[in-house]
Amino acid sequence: SYELTQPPSVSVSPGQTARITCSGDELPKQYVYWYHQKSGQAPVLVIYKGSERPSGIPERFSGSSSGTTATLTISGVQAEDEADYYCQSADSDGIVVFGGGTKLTVL
Amino acid sequence: QLQLQESGPGLVKTSETLSLTCSVSGDSMNGRSHYWGWIRQSPGKGLEWIGNIHYTGATYYNPYFSSRVTVSIDTSRDQYFLRLSSVTAADTAVYFCVRAIYSTGSYFDSWGQGALVAVSS
Repeated sequence: SYELTQPPSVSVSPGQTARITCSGDELPKQYVYWYHQKSGQAPVLVIYKGSERPSGIPERFSGSSSGTTATLTISGVQAEDEADYYCQSADSDGIVVFGGGTKLTVL
Repeated sequence: QLQLQESGPGLVKTSETLSLTCSVSGDSMNGRSHYWGWIRQSPGKGLEWIGNIHYTGATYYNPYFSSRVTVSIDTSRDQYFLRLSSVTAADTAVYFCVRAIYSTGSYFDSWGQGALVAVSS
């Protein structure tokens, strides 16, 4: 079955830039979406269609893609950004797939 | 503002059927590009899409669940439903109801708070 691969963890200091990657063979053909999930809460959409930001999501969140790798970039990381981050896309049949998640730690 | 709320038993016995209801408020369920879905998260694990339903009744399921899952909808009551049969301990998870947007691909822009369902004999 199709898989999206994320690093298990990323650590940055406050004010630095965090980059979280998501790799998958179908990514050149399918959009990527990103969610963050704070402890004990439901996930929240932070990026859709690869690089679009929903209303209410800070400008420090951005998305990009190159070939089979998509990247979520958080510029000027704040303590409140500490969370699990999941990418989501679809396989060639349109079946929704999530990455395994990346734990972002703000040092 | 759209709100989604899961409800249902928090404990289900092995081999029985898990049933959950999602109550929708703050928006119509009849949007052409809106689907209504279920996603689960096993303890300490990642997210797993189960299936979506459109107000017309069209359904899309994750093949992993398709032999055991039924998602149905009742727009007159602003509710939709999940039934997962023949459950095992591996089905213990937090179940989220979600709104799915279908445009170029599909994604989930609103989530319920989640309902923990434990499966035990």
